[in-house]
Amino acid sequence: GAVVSQHPSRVICKSGTSVKIECRSLDFQATTMFWYRQFPKKSLMLMATSNEGSKATYEQGVEKDKFLINHASLTLSTLTVTSAHPEDSSFYICSARSSRVATYEQYFGPGTRLTVT
Amino acid sequence: GEDVEQSLFLSVREGDSSVINCTYTDSSSTYLYWYKQEPGAGLQLLTYIFSNMDMKQDQRLTVLLNKKDKHLSLRIADTQTGDSAIYFCAEPSGSARQLTFGSGTQLTVLP
Repeated sequence: GAVVSQHPSRVICKSGTSVKIECRSLDFQATTMFWYRQFPKKSLMLMATSNEGSKATYEQGVEKDKFLINHASLTLSTLTVTSAHPEDSSFYICSARSSRVATYEQYFGPGTRLTVT
Repeated sequence: GEDVEQSLFLSVREGDSSVINCTYTDSSSTYLYWYKQEPGAGLQLLTYIFSNMDMKQDQRLTVLLNKKDKHLSLRIADTQTGDSAIYFCAEPSGSARQLTFGSGTQLTVLP
């Protein structure tokens, strides 16, 4: 149980285009999902917390107009990187927290490698 | 603010025990977690410990918690090459109890 998928696993796009990344909880409902960014050999940097049916809460320094987050259902959150630039190239990881579990652990997707050329 | 610290690297020989250490700051944390990340992959929850426990063992994994010193450790017995990965400790923090991660410890298992 507690499987989280991400799609796509890898994407290469041209500078100026937008890219959408999907995060799905496959076998549980997630009222809260998180989006992280990870640079090579670095820890995870929390970008935003996404709650179903409400606006995402962005961490300081993360541009909400650039990184659009939509948590439309209890099993799906999307991150759209708008007008992507080479500096947006990174490994993006989502996680989901089960609404039935009180231990706060998060289940992670396999990540999406974004390369902007 | 919350800060979770880990040493960056650890090398051990196959068959030896590995001990990965972590210090945290939020004394109100009810749970503390260990995650494993293999190259190019997401994070896998290895184990967690409740704050009223001193020790938790799960097969080859032993977690020790010293609340007084805010110190957490993960011991991997009989370390195998498949255990080579980055290990993150994490504690819940903030209003949404999102996880704050340590810097990660790169474990290298030598044959």
